[in-house]
Amino acid sequence: GQQVMQIPQYQHVQEGEDFTTYCNSSTTLSNIQWYKQRPGGHPVFLIQLVKSGEVKKQKRLTFQFGEAKKNSSLHITATQTTDVGTYFCAGGGFQKLVFGTGTRLLVSP
Amino acid sequence: DGGITQSPKYLFRKEGQNVTLSCEQNLNHDAMYWYRQDPGQGLRLIYYSQIVNDFQKGDIAEGYSVSREKKESFPLTVTSAQKNPTAFYLCASSPTGGIGANVLTFGAGSRLTVL
Repeated sequence: GQQVMQIPQYQHVQEGEDFTTYCNSSTTLSNIQWYKQRPGGHPVFLIQLVKSGEVKKQKRLTFQFGEAKKNSSLHITATQTTDVGTYFCAGGGFQKLVFGTGTRLLVSP
Repeated sequence: DGGITQSPKYLFRKEGQNVTLSCEQNLNHDAMYWYRQDPGQGLRLIYYSQIVNDFQKGDIAEGYSVSREKKESFPLTVTSAQKNPTAFYLCASSPTGGIGANVLTFGAGSRLTVL
């Protein structure tokens, strides 16, 4: 079956440093979604990418969908303590939405 | 405010007991889902429903059952047949068409502990 892997599993940065998480699928994806889950909370939708090579920005967050539509990345510029949480990618459509294992981000002030 | 309400937030169960987790949404979404989250792992799909009176098994449906008698409600029963039920259970919903199609809105979750 379809598998979605994320790396790294965990990253600890100092506030102000950049952070990137990578998402890789074993199959071509129709779309990729990104969610953020704060500690003790529930996942919250961040963005959806649909087109090959698509890049979208949300303030300090940059999302990219690979040309082959099998990988994606989330880059955070100049992290803040409010960025703490686990970031999940999820690939496919609503019947086949497969979540990655997540990257847990810890930011020290 | 529109959203998804899950209850209870915390639940303790003895081995051999069935428990039912409630999920109610007022977003007018057609599709609803149940996911299971274990520490350090991603979300795994238990069951999903695209329309009232119809639902489909996800990747880990064994030991679980659901019903979808109303559009707003999608309760999950964790049966005694589930071998390792201690986990964080998340309910979600989504539109099936238009803007926001397939984008999940999650409830706050129910944490089940088997004693």
